[in-house]
Amino acid sequence: AQSVTQLGSHVSVSEGALVLLRCNYSSSVPPYLFWYVQYPNQGLQLLLKYTSAATLVKGINGFEAEFKKSETSFHLTKPSAHMRDAAEYFCAVSDDGGFKTIFGAGTRLFVKA
Amino acid sequence: EPEVTQTPSHQVTQMGQEVILRCVPISNHLYFYWYRQILGQKVEFLVSFYNNEISEKSEIFDDQFSVERPDGSNFTLKIRSTKLEDSAMYFCASRAGASFYEQYFGPGTRLTVT
Repeated sequence: AQSVTQLGSHVSVSEGALVLLRCNYSSSVPPYLFWYVQYPNQGLQLLLKYTSAATLVKGINGFEAEFKKSETSFHLTKPSAHMRDAAEYFCAVSDDGGFKTIFGAGTRLFVKA
Repeated sequence: EPEVTQTPSHQVTQMGQEVILRCVPISNHLYFYWYRQILGQKVEFLVSFYNNEISEKSEIFDDQFSVERPDGSNFTLKIRSTKLEDSAMYFCASRAGASFYEQYFGPGTRLTVT
């Protein structure tokens, strides 16, 4: 069975500071991993994905994530936070058939001016 | 840019009534999904659909739920007899094909059961 754990339901950073959102996964098969962002009252937008190619994945809006198999982690980072980054972020894992995707509980990012 | 659309954006229904939530996936996509998000909680997988049949479903997707692709464009989720706990945001998603793992989500339908 697959699962995702996001450490920290809320993260607060100052504008211009490093963003680090943590995600650990559990999967019995090579995982496909995703980060999605959800702005208030909107649907989910894909930020980036890992599908067994490069372990460092670059996404939209300056975000990137590194797949570390030894740590079963897929943490999301951004060097410099912007006010528009304030949103809910979800880490997700999919089976190799892509028929089922499991989401983490989400981390709400607050950005202070 | 192609996008997934969902109607209605908000549905209010009384307990015990049937509801049908509608989705139009991205054209030429082959895999379709329904998720729900209870207010303030995480996104939960309900069901995936491929080649005109259910591929995978969660324990949430019991006999009260059904999905259908009645024509070449629509993908529907039916809840036969709604319960208060069915109140949630329901998201539809579609995916292009076997080699493309990213899913594209619609804006959601907020279902309120009173």
